[in-house]
Amino acid sequence: GQNIDQPTEMTATEGAIVQINCTYQTSGFNGLFWYQQHAGEAPTFLSYNVLDGLEEKGRFSSFLSRSKGYSYLLLKELQMKDSASYLCAVRDSNYQLIWGAGTKLIIKP
Amino acid sequence: IAGITQAPTSQILAAGRRMTLRCTQDMRHNAMYWYRQDLGLGLRLIHYSNTAGTTGKGEVPDGYSVSRANTDDFPLTLASAVPSQTSVYFCASSAEAGGPTDTQYFGPGTRLTVL
Repeated sequence: GQNIDQPTEMTATEGAIVQINCTYQTSGFNGLFWYQQHAGEAPTFLSYNVLDGLEEKGRFSSFLSRSKGYSYLLLKELQMKDSASYLCAVRDSNYQLIWGAGTKLIIKP
Repeated sequence: IAGITQAPTSQILAAGRRMTLRCTQDMRHNAMYWYRQDLGLGLRLIHYSNTAGTTGKGEVPDGYSVSRANTDDFPLTLASAVPSQTSVYFCASSAEAGGPTDTQYFGPGTRLTVL
């Protein structure tokens, strides 16, 4: 079966750094996506990795290791508005997205 | 309008009733998708359409049907609603299914409660 694993919830402090991990087992791999979803809102695209390594975009970075079936999203200089759920999704051999259940990130002052 | 719109925003429906959720995009995207999101679960694909005139079944298609008569619209119909279809429904679109930059963009969602 196909499986995406993420921690259910994490807590971090404003101004700090947090790393959200995602491990996957899928039938094929054609890229990994991270989305942000604020409560009651739609998911919005954050990042895309298809090759191993780190992709940096402002305060957010995403890392991929295909051999380990592993990715992480790194958020720096945390702000209160970063409180949201972060969704990891893998595009499988059929080019369908398989989604993790999401990690709820709570930012404390 | 810009992006993807969904209607209604929310709906309470009696079991056994027929319901159509509407989705319209103005980005001229070829591919469109319907997902449901339930607490503790990842987004699950119901149906998809890679291009106007074609549709396909996703992970959880039973009880749902779709049509894609044109590029912009992708309605989702529940023929006879059941309480297990209580969920938040998201429509999404992408420029080209399976392409190297096949990023999906989501509508605001429809919160459906079936009693």
